[in-house]
Amino acid sequence: NAGVTQTPKFQVLKTGQSMTLQCAQDMNHNSMYWYRQDPGMGLRLIYYSASEGTTDKGEVPNGYNVSRLNKREFSLRLESAAPSQTSVYFCASSEGRLKGEAFFGQGTRLTVV
Amino acid sequence: QKEVEQNSGPLSVPEGAIASLNCTYSDRGSQSFFWYRQYSGKSPELIMSIYSNGDKEDGRFTAQLNKASQYVSLLIRDSQPSDSATYLCAVNPPSGTYKYIFGTGTRLKVLA
Repeated sequence: NAGVTQTPKFQVLKTGQSMTLQCAQDMNHNSMYWYRQDPGMGLRLIYYSASEGTTDKGEVPNGYNVSRLNKREFSLRLESAAPSQTSVYFCASSEGRLKGEAFFGQGTRLTVV
Repeated sequence: QKEVEQNSGPLSVPEGAIASLNCTYSDRGSQSFFWYRQYSGKSPELIMSIYSNGDKEDGRFTAQLNKASQYVSLLIRDSQPSDSATYLCAVNPPSGTYKYIFGTGTRLKVLA
């Protein structure tokens, strides 16, 4: 059982380049999330999708877009990467109910130079 | 005021001791609380969830919730060097959208 799978695991971009981070879950979860983690800042929510067909901004959405492609997949796109977007990105999923627990992918370490 | 606050540590305890990790949250209506463990360079791993006031035990771990004081804690009994990690507290605010708000984490060091 793979759980939450993210690709790629590592990426180096030049300033201004674009890329899409992919995330897929096989737990039949309704809700999916994208977080970034920076030293001393903890996990900050970028965007989330409460259910298939819906997406909402989190705490730090600027510079990002998301697509909930289907129930399994939730992608994060950086249209024009900036050095401030250097971070570790985590995708997570949950059942989307009051007592649902979130499970994380292995993360993507992104460096923008 | 941050929504979820934790002391960043490091909290150092000797092997075999009890480690006590604390977390406070600002939204009084929050109903779901979670503890995650994160080893350096790895993703967060769920340890425990708690939803009702009181204690919940799972092996060496005990989560404690006090909604009146807006306080949740994690006790690790018989701490082992392998418990050395960052512990993240997460709260589901009462917005109905089930988004998880995390504290910045407490770094725990268990000394052999």
